Amino acid sequence: QSALTQPASVSGSPGQSITISCTGSSSDVANYNYVSWYQHHPGKAPKLLIYAVTRRPSGVSFRFSGSKSGNTASLTISGLQAEDEAHYYCSSYTSSSTYVFGTGTEVTVL
Amino acid sequence: QVQLVESGGGVVQPGGSLRLSCVPSGFTFSRYGMHWVRQAPGKGLEWVAVIWSDGYNRNYADSVKGRFTISRDNSKNTLYLEMNRLRAEDTAVYYCAKVGEEGYNDFDYWGQGTLVIVSS
Repeated sequence: QSALTQPASVSGSPGQSITISCTGSSSDVANYNYVSWYQHHPGKAPKLLIYAVTRRPSGVSFRFSGSKSGNTASLTISGLQAEDEAHYYCSSYTSSSTYVFGTGTEVTVL
Repeated sequence: QVQLVESGGGVVQPGGSLRLSCVPSGFTFSRYGMHWVRQAPGKGLEWVAVIWSDGYNRNYADSVKGRFTISRDNSKNTLYLEMNRLRAEDTAVYYCAKVGEEGYNDFDYWGQGTLVIVSS
């Protein structure tokens, strides 16, 4: 199972919106609404931001939102803040009953 | 408050074995599936294995199948990862993660990880 494809880095100024893409295949993203997104600050535990493509867990800021079209899922961070600097990973359930993560995206706040 | 605490990492020679543990708190462990996920130095997250609440249904990434075994002891409230025939490429921080509350195949809580280094 190959990793889902994400851009290596995305940057934006405070207050702006950015979008991170996550491209998979018919074996994962395209055929399952089981896409989730994680924020990872180095040395800390990853944090769930979005599950089931669009759902936000209790306590996660409304500035994070998810969507999907075909084999590509997306995470949008609106009103970018300094604390949003981190690595972001998508994940999907697969047709082999396994799981696959994205390659990861480093977000920089300019 | 959900917490997951991993332990058992260390330095091991290629071909060697190691057993990781994960002790959860803040939820009823026996009701939920659990995962192991790893991150090699400078690399992204890689899913390793899952075990469902019954302890019988499990699945593995191709990269570890036949070498790693995920298990759980609900009476001891502990998740395990038995790692055999270790290779240099198994060097990583290993995280345990809880299956999402609503069954959407997400990972809703994670531990801080334990570092495994495979080196001679």
